[in-house]
Amino acid sequence: GENVEQHPSTLSVQEGDSAVIKCTYSDSASNYFPWYKQELGKRPQLIIDIRSNVGEKKDQRIAVTLNKTAKHFSLHITETQPEDSAVYFCAARGGSQGNLIFGKGTKLSVKP
Amino acid sequence: NAGVTQTPKFQVLKTGQSMTLQCAQDMNHEYMSWYRQDPGMGLRLIHYSVGAGITDQGEVPNGYNVSRSTTEDFPLRLLSAAPSQTSVYFCASSWSRGGDYGYTFGSGTRLTVV
Repeated sequence: GENVEQHPSTLSVQEGDSAVIKCTYSDSASNYFPWYKQELGKRPQLIIDIRSNVGEKKDQRIAVTLNKTAKHFSLHITETQPEDSAVYFCAARGGSQGNLIFGKGTKLSVKP
Repeated sequence: NAGVTQTPKFQVLKTGQSMTLQCAQDMNHEYMSWYRQDPGMGLRLIHYSVGAGITDQGEVPNGYNVSRSTTEDFPLRLLSAAPSQTSVYFCASSWSRGGDYGYTFGSGTRLTVV
């Protein structure tokens, strides 16, 4: 089955800096890669996703890149703000009918 | 729309007790699932359902049962609670198993087994 590794587990940046979170996956048939943000005490919420036929996707300050050959994908947040502080989870869908398998999460802290 | 509703929000159980965590969605989603969230372990899939009458096991199914008699409801049963089941439980639903257009998560149930 699919296995997703996520790094780093914690990340601290200064406000205005960029933050990068990386994930690797094991199933070469995986074709859908979403990212979820979970604020303290809240439920996870989808912030961006990418499919295997696309190399990069942007949404304002957030971007996701995918390298199918190396089987890794990354979340990039530019011009970080204190409200970006949260736990971020990457996920991968194994094959065309698989469930989402989540990474262990990255706790991002943005210091004012 | 209420989205995904989970009850209770908090629960304390004694070892060996049983209980049911409730999950209901009003979005007519075919896919529903249960995850547990533990510190440093991320979200791990317990059980899932692709429609009424159909359920299957996820990554960590031991000690849990599910059933899906209607599209709206997907309860999770703890048969004989153990301290290792202390966790935060999230129910999620989606149009598809693979999560296209996103999973909608419930607000979570924080369970402590003493």
